[in-house]
Parts: sequence; C-alpha cells; structure tokens
Amino acid sequence: GQNIDQPTEMTATEGAIVQINCTYQTSGFNGLFWYQQHAGEAPTFLSYNVLDGLEEKGRFSSFLSRSKGYSYLLLKELQMKDSASYLCAVRDKTSYDKVIFGPGTSLSVIP
Amino acid sequence: DGGITQSPKYLFRKEGQNVTLSCEQNLNHDAMYWYRQDPGQGLRLIYYSQIVNDFQKGDIAEGYSVSREKKESFPLTVTSAQKNPTAFYLCASSIVSGSGEQFFGPGTRLTVL
Repeated sequence: GQNIDQPTEMTATEGAIVQINCTYQTSGFNGLFWYQQHAGEAPTFLSYNVLDGLEEKGRFSSFLSRSKGYSYLLLKELQMKDSASYLCAVRDKTSYDKVIFGPGTSLSVIP
Repeated sequence: DGGITQSPKYLFRKEGQNVTLSCEQNLNHDAMYWYRQDPGQGLRLIYYSQIVNDFQKGDIAEGYSVSREKKESFPLTVTSAQKNPTAFYLCASSIVSGSGEQFFGPGTRLTVL
C-alpha cells in the first residue's frame, strides 16, 4: 500500500522562505509531484521529481531523496498569494501508475 | 483551447438518487482519474483509467461506478450505496508515463440533501 504524510498547517511571513515536507511509503515509486490548491479551486501542477536531488523553478524548488522516502517543497520570497494548500502526490508503478495524494499542507502567509 | 471540463459546477440531489458527474478532456490524454475531496482534506482516489474500456478501483471505490467508452470521457456515477456522497469531486487527466503531471477540471461540488 501507500502512505503519504505532510504537516497539516504552516504559517510564514511575507518575504520569507518556507519548507514543506512530505514523507512517503510506496512499493513501486515512480515519481513525486507537488501541486498548489487555492480554496475552492482545482490543484495546479508545481513540480515533478523522479531522481534524487533538487529541481528549481523560479521561486519554487523541490527536493527528493528516494532512499529516505522524503521530499520537500521550498518556497522563497513568499507572497500573500502563496497562501494555499500544497499537495504532495506519489505515482505507484505497481498499481497501473496510479497517483495518490497526501493530506495536504495549508500554508498561511502573514504580513 | 485544450483542457478538461466538468459539469455541472454545483449539483444538488436528494438522498437515495443516483447522480452522474461529467468529465471530458480534449488533451489527447490516455489516463483519467476521479478524486473526492472533503473539507480540509487531501484528494482521495475513487477510480482511474489508463486506457479506453479499462479502469481500476482506487482507495474509496465503494458506492461509485465509472465507464470509459471513449478516450475523451470518463463519467462518474455516485450511487445511492455511497453513504456520505456530499463532497467536492475532481476529475484529472494525464499522459500515461514519465513526468505526466495531472491536469484537473474545475470540480463539481455535490450536495446530497
């Protein structure tokens, strides 16, 4: 089976840096995704990692360690519009490549 | 414009009635998914399909049914057997392999009275 864990809530200050962690257990890891979801809206894709290391995309970076079953999303120069839920998702190749989501982390950015 | 659509955005039904949620995509994606989201929660997988005429149960398939007769369409039926159907339902599609991120429709908010 699969298990994905994230902190429930985080608060950070505008202009700061925040790191959102995700740990996972899966028998057939085939990639990890991060999505952003504003309240009442659909999730939008942020990043994808399948190999160990850091992927950088503007203010957002994502890190993966497959041996530790661990990923993080790093958000720099926080803006008020970054207040949203951040969802970690894992693709499992032993189950027809299904994609399972973690519980999500609700990030509040304060002035 | 390429995209994924769901209709309707809001849906109200009486308890005991079956209801079908629509999901259509013109992205030429082989894979399609249905998720359920409850307030303050993450997405839970109901059903998914990697190819036409084939689909698999996700983690919470009980009380739901799907069909995949066309590549573009993946309708979800919420049956009367689903004990707690009121939720936000999200449909997604993707390419099958590699870094195929999922593209999501706008969602359908179902309320059963």
